[in-house]
Parts: sequence; structure tokens; C-alpha cells
Amino acid sequence: DGGITQSPKYLFRKEGQNVTLSCEQNLNHDAMYWYRQDPGQGLRLIYYSQIVNDFQKGDIAEGYSVSREKKESFPLTVTSAQKNPTAFYLCASMTTRQISGANVLTFGAGSRLTVL
Amino acid sequence: GEDVEQSLFLSVREGDSSVINCTYTDSSSTYLYWYKQEPGAGLQLLTYIFSNMDMKQDQRLTVLLNKKDKHLSLRIADTQTGDSAIYFCAEIMDTGRRALTFGSGTRLQVQP
Repeated sequence: DGGITQSPKYLFRKEGQNVTLSCEQNLNHDAMYWYRQDPGQGLRLIYYSQIVNDFQKGDIAEGYSVSREKKESFPLTVTSAQKNPTAFYLCASMTTRQISGANVLTFGAGSRLTVL
Repeated sequence: GEDVEQSLFLSVREGDSSVINCTYTDSSSTYLYWYKQEPGAGLQLLTYIFSNMDMKQDQRLTVLLNKKDKHLSLRIADTQTGDSAIYFCAEIMDTGRRALTFGSGTRLQVQP
């Protein structure tokens, strides 16, 4: 079945360490996204990529980095520069529905990062 | 700029209808969406509506769009305990970046 796989599901990090969250999709979608979710704040866009080897900053990119070397993969690195990294991270990819023309996001199951 | 707002919490009794409201600020939105999130999981698409429509019905779900007031609502008929979740509305604009902007989410609690 096609879908988006995020790993790990839970991750613990000590302060000062970088950590990389994996996101892989087999949906053949061109665009991929990283969102951060904090309680009561909804989802905030970190980075997105419309095409391989290209990506753009979202609203809260500081302290994060990404790469898009393959269509299927869009890993997110949370660096030590991110002041408050404890959160739930969601990866998504986007397609355009053929009949309606709507752009629809499909989400992974999320990765919960806790900084100790 | 983009801003999507929702109330944080709604409690209903099983069998009643639930109405979750959302306001958005950008008139150039092309599609508006409703997503559902169960605890510890990702978001699932429930439905979406094109900005030139007023209403869309899909089984127990009815979406109403008032473009003049920039108000979107999701009505769930015959609400069940399995509908307990967080519901997010989102918009995507016709111009600029191709990314969804989400509201803060409404937690729906269904009492048996």
C-alpha cells in the first residue's frame, strides 16, 4: 500500500545534540512538507520542497535543516540551535486530485521528539 | 497574511449533531479543508470544498462555506464516540507558496 513512513516514532535527545527524522513516501508525490505540532497551536510549517534538489523555508525554519536528494525522501534535522525542539513532527506529501483539481496533503503518523 | 482560527474545544452528546467553526482571513484561498487527528496519530483528510461552492455533503459530514464572512463550518450528524478527535481546518491559496495553512484545531469530545 502507498503511504508515508516516518521514523522513529519516538525519539529522545540530550540538549546540544542534532537529530534527524526520516520521512519516506512511495506515493510518487512531487511536493513534501514538514510541520511541527505543539498543543493548542495547530500545525506550523517548517520546510517544504516542491521538487527534488529544491526546498523552501516555512514559517519556523530556524534551527532546522532539510535535504531533498530523492523524490521519495525528505529528512528533517533538528539542530542544537533549535531552542525548544520538544514537539510532535509531521511529514506530508501533496498531490493534485485529477477530477476536482484540489491539492490534498497526505500525512505520515508523526515522530515525537523529547529533549531531556 | 494567512490566518486560520478555530475554537479549541467542543463537547456534545452521542447522537447529537456537532458543528465545528473556522474563520480564515485570506480571500484568495482556493480550497478549504477539514482534517481529523486521533491521539498520537497523523492527520486524515475528511473533506474539502472549492472556494466557489457554498456547501458540500458527504454522508454524515456537511461543509458550509460563507465566502463573504470567510467562515467555514463542519457539521457531523449523529455524532459517535469514534468521532472524538481534534479537527483542523486548513486553506491553500491560489498564489504564493503551495502549502496548507492550518488552524489551531478543535478538540471534539463525545459524551456517551
